Amino acid sequence: AQTVTQSQPEMSVQEAETVTLSCTYDTSESNYYLFWYKQPPSRQMILVIRQEAYKQQNATENRFSVNFQKAAKSFSLKISDSQLGDTAMYFCAFILTGTASKLTFGTGTRLQVTL
Amino acid sequence: DAGVIQSPRHEVTEMGQEVTLRCKPISGHNSLFWYRQTMMRGLELLIYFNNNVPIDDSGMPEDRFSAKMPNASFSTLKIQPSEPRDSAVYFCASGSRDRDSPLHFGNGTRLTVT
Repeated sequence: AQTVTQSQPEMSVQEAETVTLSCTYDTSESNYYLFWYKQPPSRQMILVIRQEAYKQQNATENRFSVNFQKAAKSFSLKISDSQLGDTAMYFCAFILTGTASKLTFGTGTRLQVTL
Repeated sequence: DAGVIQSPRHEVTEMGQEVTLRCKPISGHNSLFWYRQTMMRGLELLIYFNNNVPIDDSGMPEDRFSAKMPNASFSTLKIQPSEPRDSAVYFCASGSRDRDSPLHFGNGTRLTVT
């Protein structure tokens, strides 16, 4: 079975600063996808960024980037130039390739962006 | 596309009553997932369907929970009888066989059982 671990229940960052959220996962498979989802107080689940395991290049999406270390099974999210609107719960998620696979979530990190 | 549509947005019911949550996935998606979110247990996968067929329902807590997907555009999650510990936010998500397409979530149904 696949597991996803987020060891930081809460984090805080000042506006305009950079913050990194950590995520590790465990799998014996080699083909999978990793995601970061954001859940603001509105409770909507919003996809932030995704990474294909077969790609060595780290994914980036504007102010969001990941540090994907496949051998270490680590998938951290870096948020640059933090904005107040980044305040939310952030979930790391994992899915194997294949049509019958399921998305497994970590327990989440609550990020607070302060003035 | 309107995205994944869930109804109702909020549901308040008394213990023992039947509750039905509804989901309309994104057109063209062939995978559908039901998740439950609570403070204590986070996001839990209850059941997921592929091409309208249930693939894994091991996350369904007990026989009081049932889910159906009669066609590609509609799914229901039913709780009968409901209990206070079922209070949570229930999310529906849909996805495509193309794994470059991530799961898209609905806005969730907040269920309160008193």
